[in-house]
Amino acid sequence: GESVGLHLPTLSVQEGDNSIINCAYSNSASDYFIWYKQESGKGPQFIIDIRSNMDKRQGQRVTVLLNKTVKHLSLQIAATQPGDSAVYFCAENVSFKAAGNKLTFGGGTRVLVKP
Amino acid sequence: EPEVTQTPSHQVTQMGQEVILRCVPISNHLYFYWYRQILGQKVEFLVSFYNNEISEKSEIFDDQFSVERPDGSNFTLKIRSTKLEDSAMYFCASSEALRTGLEAFFGQGTRLTVV
Repeated sequence: GESVGLHLPTLSVQEGDNSIINCAYSNSASDYFIWYKQESGKGPQFIIDIRSNMDKRQGQRVTVLLNKTVKHLSLQIAATQPGDSAVYFCAENVSFKAAGNKLTFGGGTRVLVKP
Repeated sequence: EPEVTQTPSHQVTQMGQEVILRCVPISNHLYFYWYRQILGQKVEFLVSFYNNEISEKSEIFDDQFSVERPDGSNFTLKIRSTKLEDSAMYFCASSEALRTGLEAFFGQGTRLTVV
């Protein structure tokens, strides 16, 4: 069946260190992946996305890695800051479907940045 | 920066009552979505809407749920007879068009509490 899951429910990281958040997915038809950040009381906020024809994509302080062989996705945050404290969700999409653009979300990882 | 807005931010209703959650998607967006998030759980897809009709819905979106775009700006989710298990955060999202690499923008959510 379709599922997107996360290995680590909570990640504590020292301010300034790098964070790595992992995500496993099981739908081999998924070809588009997004990382969202959700702060308390707010909706998911887009961080970065990647298509299945890529294995790495970089943004500002963030890098997403995609390993299709093992169906694994990771988000790396460089020099983690207090403002990075939030819950991070990976989401997958089967973009070639005719309509809908449905996102399937993973369970979320809480990142706590320690000063 | 354009954003998706949702009202109310918090709705308390008695079991069995009807509720309407309102959303104003980003103005040039064509695809609209409702997701929900039960406290402490992952974000779940409910329904997507395009060209004045439902394009995809999940098994959660049963006959008690309906969506409507009553005018050119609003997008609503109606729950006809609320149950305790409908208590959740409901997020509206919109996207510009259907293509790979497309970002869905989420609103801040409406917290629905059924008592």
